[in-house]
Amino acid sequence: AQSVAQPEDQVNVAEGNPLTVKCTYSVSGNPYLFWYVQYPNRGLQFLLKYITGDNLVKGSYGFEAEFNKSQTSFHLKKPSALVSDSALYFCAVRENQAGTALIFGKGTTLSVSS
Amino acid sequence: NAGVMQNPRHLVRRRGQEARLRCSPMKGHSHVYWYRQLPEEGLKFMVYLQKENIIDESGMPKERFSAEFPKEGPSILRIQQVVRGDSAAYFCASSPLGLPTDEQFFGPGTRLTVL
Repeated sequence: AQSVAQPEDQVNVAEGNPLTVKCTYSVSGNPYLFWYVQYPNRGLQFLLKYITGDNLVKGSYGFEAEFNKSQTSFHLKKPSALVSDSALYFCAVRENQAGTALIFGKGTTLSVSS
Repeated sequence: NAGVMQNPRHLVRRRGQEARLRCSPMKGHSHVYWYRQLPEEGLKFMVYLQKENIIDESGMPKERFSAEFPKEGPSILRIQQVVRGDSAAYFCASSPLGLPTDEQFFGPGTRLTVL
């Protein structure tokens, strides 16, 4: 069965410092991996996805994520955090099968202090 | 191009009443997914629909919940005889082709409160 783990409920970083939000996954076959961000009382916004190819994926708002097959991880990163990055971040996985839904992690709250 | 629309944004029901949540996908999208977000939890898949068809309802509770996506009009998630445990945020997402590589575009959600 597919699953996603986000081991940290909350990540705190100072503005200007690099940030990492961790995600590990379990899926049979090749995974399709996604990161979404949710601001308070809003829907989820797509940040980036890994389908195939280069392990480093670049996305919206300066975020990137690195796919590591041996560690089954897909950590979200940003070189320099902004206060406006403070939000709830979700990692999600999908199997290579049409119609299957996204399986989400529980989410990690990112708090960036000024 | 308008995004995914959901209404109402907030819905209050008393126990035993019915709740109807509506979702209009992005223009050109014919694949709709419903998710439920309980407090302190991530999103849980409920049902996947294509126009006039339910493709996957494996995440849907067996009783009281139903969904449809008619040929014309929005997708509807219907909850009959609501209970307090149904209080949650319900999100709809759409995608153009239903491919596993597609990102899904989410609506703002309907926050259901059951008194």
